[in-house]
Amino acid sequence: QKEVEQDPGPLSVPEGAIVSLNCTYSNSAFQYFMWYRQYSRKGPELLMYTYSSGNKEDGRFTAQVDKSSKYISLFIRDSQPSDSATYLCAMSAVLTNAGKSTFGDGTTLTVKP
Amino acid sequence: DTEVTQTPKHLVMGMTNKKSLKCEQHMGHRAMYWYKQKAKKPPELMFVYSYEKLSINESVPSRFSPECPNSSLLNLHLHALQPEDSALYLCASSQVGRVAKNIQYFGAGTRLSVL
Repeated sequence: QKEVEQDPGPLSVPEGAIVSLNCTYSNSAFQYFMWYRQYSRKGPELLMYTYSSGNKEDGRFTAQVDKSSKYISLFIRDSQPSDSATYLCAMSAVLTNAGKSTFGDGTTLTVKP
Repeated sequence: DTEVTQTPKHLVMGMTNKKSLKCEQHMGHRAMYWYKQKAKKPPELMFVYSYEKLSINESVPSRFSPECPNSSLLNLHLHALQPEDSALYLCASSQVGRVAKNIQYFGAGTRLSVL
């Protein structure tokens, strides 16, 4: 079983819809939770990160972490065609040195005008 | 400025060629990473440098040779690659510290084709 499981998609929604992207994990040591957006043939772009449990909002994006359920979500409000991309969740433990992040397999989102 | 710069953007090489990928960051990060990404897959970690020292090698074949000349630069030397090594190669950097966040910032990648 993978340490991080991400809803596989693909996901297709009309413009203006609310999008929910989700990941579950099994490693209780994970404390940092990241969401990356990756456009086709480009590098991943860090959207948001959260530490431990709770919510974080940035414009149309909200990241939620529920450590008791080992479940994280990224919500996109008022989705736009420019949000069409692959979204990767990533997680890491609190480290005293550089180390690994564990990535989900990604969810491809298409927002139709 | 959260920018990691990778050159070249595209590279085509033969199986007998020697080439290098370059990565540069000016965020003061002391950890740098090389990843390989195949189509429709997540990034796959290859190497991690921490304070200019190699700290993680994910059992990468010796035809890939990393180098970290200073805290801002990271190179990946390529020699005698195979067609299956064709992929997007990503560089990333992050802070390192007593409680490292390990929040990684990625470059745009080098798209490598091995003929």
